[in-house]
Amino acid sequence: EVQLLESGGGLVQPGGSLRLSCAASGFTFRSYTMTWVRQGPGRGLDWVSAVSNSGGSTFYADSVKGRFTISRDNSKNTLYLQMNSLRAEDTAIYYCAVGWYYFEYWGQGTLVTVSS
Amino acid sequence: QSALTQPGSVSGSPGQSITISCTGARSDVGGYNYVSWYQQHPGKVPKLMIFDVSSRPSGVSNRFSGSKSGNTASLTISGLQGEDEADYYCSSYTSSSTYVFGSGTKVTVL
Repeated sequence: EVQLLESGGGLVQPGGSLRLSCAASGFTFRSYTMTWVRQGPGRGLDWVSAVSNSGGSTFYADSVKGRFTISRDNSKNTLYLQMNSLRAEDTAIYYCAVGWYYFEYWGQGTLVTVSS
Repeated sequence: QSALTQPGSVSGSPGQSITISCTGARSDVGGYNYVSWYQQHPGKVPKLMIFDVSSRPSGVSNRFSGSKSGNTASLTISGLQGEDEADYYCSSYTSSSTYVFGSGTKVTVL
């Protein structure tokens, strides 16, 4: 059974940083592109970033480019999202998901709140 | 990248068919056969319903079908049931090697 468990969310002040993690199990993690998708309160889904199976290629939405860094550790079956210079509009539930052309499996999400 | 355009709401009676549209551009929906659809019940995690425009993952009811014409993709739900009441989002790969989601459609079963 595929399991994705996000952690690292919380309350942070504007301009602050957080590092999200997504622990994966139940599939061959190193074989799949991994993606972060977020959903603001009462809002729709918003694609954030993706990383290739090897970690060699990374992709970002314009809204987070230069502030967020995606990475992975295939030896630990874990995906990361380093978020710097956080803004109020980054407040959202952050989901990790498996896949590139579509997102078949999703974690339960971790809530990030950016507020003073 | 602007969100793909979906109707805010669609409703239908049990047993009826409804169609949700998802309009983009040649740089996303119109340029690639990488359109997917997600169902999300309130407070729940999104669930993949359709991928690659018209393919269904195992376990998804064949009442759900997808298609595309030009820059517009569509999700059709036939034999509408109460459990289909949820939010639906389309998504497409883009020419910038990124993804874009639709604005979301609330489906109400009357």
